[in-house]
Amino acid sequence: GDSVTQMEGPVTLSEEAFLTINCTYTATGYPSLFWYVQYPGEGLQLLLKATKADDKGSNKGFEATYRKETTSFHLEKGSVQVSDSAVYFCALSDSLSAGANSKLTFGKGITLSVRP
Amino acid sequence: KAGVTQTPRYLIKTRGQQVTLSCSPISGHRSVSWYQQTPGQGLQFLFEYFSETQRNKGNFPGRFSGRQFSNSRSEMNVSTLELGDSALYLCASSPSGVTEAFFGQGTRLTVV
Repeated sequence: GDSVTQMEGPVTLSEEAFLTINCTYTATGYPSLFWYVQYPGEGLQLLLKATKADDKGSNKGFEATYRKETTSFHLEKGSVQVSDSAVYFCALSDSLSAGANSKLTFGKGITLSVRP
Repeated sequence: KAGVTQTPRYLIKTRGQQVTLSCSPISGHRSVSWYQQTPGQGLQFLFEYFSETQRNKGNFPGRFSGRQFSNSRSEMNVSTLELGDSALYLCASSPSGVTEAFFGQGTRLTVV
């Protein structure tokens, strides 16, 4: 079945440091890929998405490129801020699974803490 | 435009009881899906409804059920609560599928 694997956390960085969060996936079809962010006490917010190979999603300085050859969708940001402290989830929606596009499969999430 | 609204935000129930959680989607959205979030299992898909029909269902026991009304509002019900049902239950709405899913703040259920 579909699955998403994220790097182990937590991750602690200093402000203005470079961020990479790894994400790889397994899917039967041609998935759409997503990064969601969850701030304390909140639900999930869509950060960015990519729907086909080589697409780059970007938002708020974050970027991720859909790499079909390595089945990866790593999240990057050039300079993190304290306000980026949150939990980040990689997710996929597989176009060929039953109930296509009606289900998100999530990775376990990684907690990012940014120190001033 | 108003976001996804989940009620109640917090709930404490006793083992063996049943509970109903409510989700009001963004106006115009016809798809509503539910997820359970726990520290051990992470985010797991429960079910998805579109135009009052269940289109997809996750791997949860039959004690977990849901429905969607003609105005797209959705409810999920958990019967015979167990301690392991303690979790944050998240609802997401989208116009049709999950490519543009918007999540509510969740209902924190504690079973004692």
